[in-house]
Amino acid sequence: DAGVTQSPTHLIKTRGQQVTLRCSPKSGHDTVSWYQQALGQGPQFIFQYYEEEERQRGNFPDRFSGHQFPNYSSELNVNALLLGDSALYLCASQTGNQPQHFGDGTRLSIL
Amino acid sequence: AQSVAQPEDQVNVAEGNPLTVKCTYSVSGNPYLFWYVQYPNRGLQFLLKYITGDNLVKGSYGFEAEFNKSQTSFHLKKPSALVSDSALYFCAVRDIPNDYKLSFGAGTTVTVRA
Repeated sequence: DAGVTQSPTHLIKTRGQQVTLRCSPKSGHDTVSWYQQALGQGPQFIFQYYEEEERQRGNFPDRFSGHQFPNYSSELNVNALLLGDSALYLCASQTGNQPQHFGDGTRLSIL
Repeated sequence: AQSVAQPEDQVNVAEGNPLTVKCTYSVSGNPYLFWYVQYPNRGLQFLLKYITGDNLVKGSYGFEAEFNKSQTSFHLKKPSALVSDSALYFCAVRDIPNDYKLSFGAGTTVTVRA
């Protein structure tokens, strides 16, 4: 049974570019959350998707957007990349009030 | 608003000794509490949770945690630490019913020496 899978594992972009990160939830999970983990810090909540709608959003600018597809997979899009967007981006999935299960993340580096 | 504090950046213990990682939280509703562990270049791995019931919860790999409502704490414990327990540990809280998100502490690096 595959867990949460994220792609790509690593990505290098330059300032001003746009990026799309992808996440496939654990089998049986219908809710996907995205987190940003800067070096040496705890994960920070970006947003959560349920039934293809953004259910809750954290304190991130509109440059960060997402989508959930009918098969529950999800994308995170970031526009106009800044140096400060360099981080590990984590996807987590769950069903109901069960604990969130995390993928291994996408390491995004901005040059 | 919800928040988590992990007052220790680092915890160092000898193998075989008890391990404690501290966590305090703040919520406006009821807390749903979690501990996760992160190994280098990996995602977060779920260890245990508390939502209601017995204040002492048992989780994976011999870890347990004690919920204390009056002190708003949820400390992680292991009676006998292993070198393989060396990792980064995160406490997280969800404010029920107000929030869906998890709020994480800054993390505590645990080093277990042989």
